[in-house]
Amino acid sequence: AQTVTQSQPEMSVQEAETVTLSCTYDTSESDYYLFWYKQPPSRQMILVIRQEAYKQQNATENRFSVNFQKAAKSFSLKISDSQLGDAAMYFCAYRSTGNQFYFGTGTSLTVIP
Amino acid sequence: GAVVSQHPSWVICKSGTSVKIECRSLDFQATTMFWYRQFPKQSLMLMATSNEGSKATYEQGVEKDKFLINHASLTLSTLTVTSAHPEDSSFYICSAIKGKEAFFGQGTRLTVV
Repeated sequence: AQTVTQSQPEMSVQEAETVTLSCTYDTSESDYYLFWYKQPPSRQMILVIRQEAYKQQNATENRFSVNFQKAAKSFSLKISDSQLGDAAMYFCAYRSTGNQFYFGTGTSLTVIP
Repeated sequence: GAVVSQHPSWVICKSGTSVKIECRSLDFQATTMFWYRQFPKQSLMLMATSNEGSKATYEQGVEKDKFLINHASLTLSTLTVTSAHPEDSSFYICSAIKGKEAFFGQGTRLTVV
């Protein structure tokens, strides 16, 4: 099975500043998808951003962007202009060719007013 | 976006009884759904893949006789925790894939007393 590693259990950022969350993964597949999901206290999983492995261009969604390094199997999330509502658990996820999702251990993000 | 509804949101049951959790895709058909388990402050662990019209595929270490999965229609998968014990207390989440994305239910908090 694929493994997803998030080495930062907790991170904090000052409101309006930028923070980067790290993620690495291990796979032998060549075609796959990577995701960042946000899980607020309600525990509803919310998609933040998606990256197709075959695309070299890094995905961007408003204040959220990724740095996808396929050779290094690295997929970090950058949150710009952090807002209080960004505080949540963030999970990096790998979608295999069989459509199973494998999640990292999560990073708890605190936004300091 | 697509909607996946999970019911109930929370349930308390006595040790030894069985509990059924439903996962419905409200506005799309899902031939495959996934069931996850999440312990407090931990990641989502894939338990099984639910396949419409056929047997579920369980991840290693998950007892298929303990966690019965039925996917009788293209919009409904159920997870039944049989003879529940306190160690089965957890947060259970289902998801279904539409296109490139996975959509998650709201989760079910199961407490076995």
